[in-house]
Amino acid sequence: DAGVIQSPRHEVTEMGQEVTLRCKPISGHNSLFWYRQTMMRGLELLIYFNNNVPIDDSGMPEDRFSAKMPNASFSTLKIQPSEPRDSAVYFCASSLSTSGYTFGSGTRLTVV
Amino acid sequence: DAKTTQPPSMDCAEGRAANLPCNHSTISGNEYVYWYRQIHSQGPQYIIHGLKNNETNEMASLIITEDRKSSTLILPHATLRDTAVYYCIVKGGGADGLTFGKGTHLIIQP
Repeated sequence: DAGVIQSPRHEVTEMGQEVTLRCKPISGHNSLFWYRQTMMRGLELLIYFNNNVPIDDSGMPEDRFSAKMPNASFSTLKIQPSEPRDSAVYFCASSLSTSGYTFGSGTRLTVV
Repeated sequence: DAKTTQPPSMDCAEGRAANLPCNHSTISGNEYVYWYRQIHSQGPQYIIHGLKNNETNEMASLIITEDRKSSTLILPHATLRDTAVYYCIVKGGGADGLTFGKGTHLIIQP
């Protein structure tokens, strides 16, 4: 199994631009999570899906952030418009019920 | 989810056992203890989890006290590649997300 696949690995964009991060969960996993990691705030849960349905998006910082999961094998996290304070590493993770959570390698986002 | 307390950092000599403590005095009866680690620039990696009994896998052992208020993660023969931040997380059995604290930065010394 290739694990959780995130793309791109690195993204540099200008303030005000739209940014889309992508995630392919492990086949068969029914839960998907988006996290953000910064030095100041550590790892924060942004949103999670069960069976492709968003369950809790209380961690999404602002309306500029949105996430979708159109099918069991793909999810996106979009930031529009992006701001320098959105610079962070964004991780996607998937799990099957109460099994361990598997994280992707992350997308390092830099907004200049 | 119950709160956990971990030392911010620890050192261990290569080849020795690394014992990482975690306090979770407010743990509920249905909450599991999970351990993850994050090696620099990588995503968190699952290590082990348990409810009441001690657990062992190819990576580590988890010792949970009888009152379940604390636990210890044991890496039996630490190597330099075990240098990482180790997170102890208490969580119920539902399919919601993990809440990460600051963890313990374990440094393995050659």
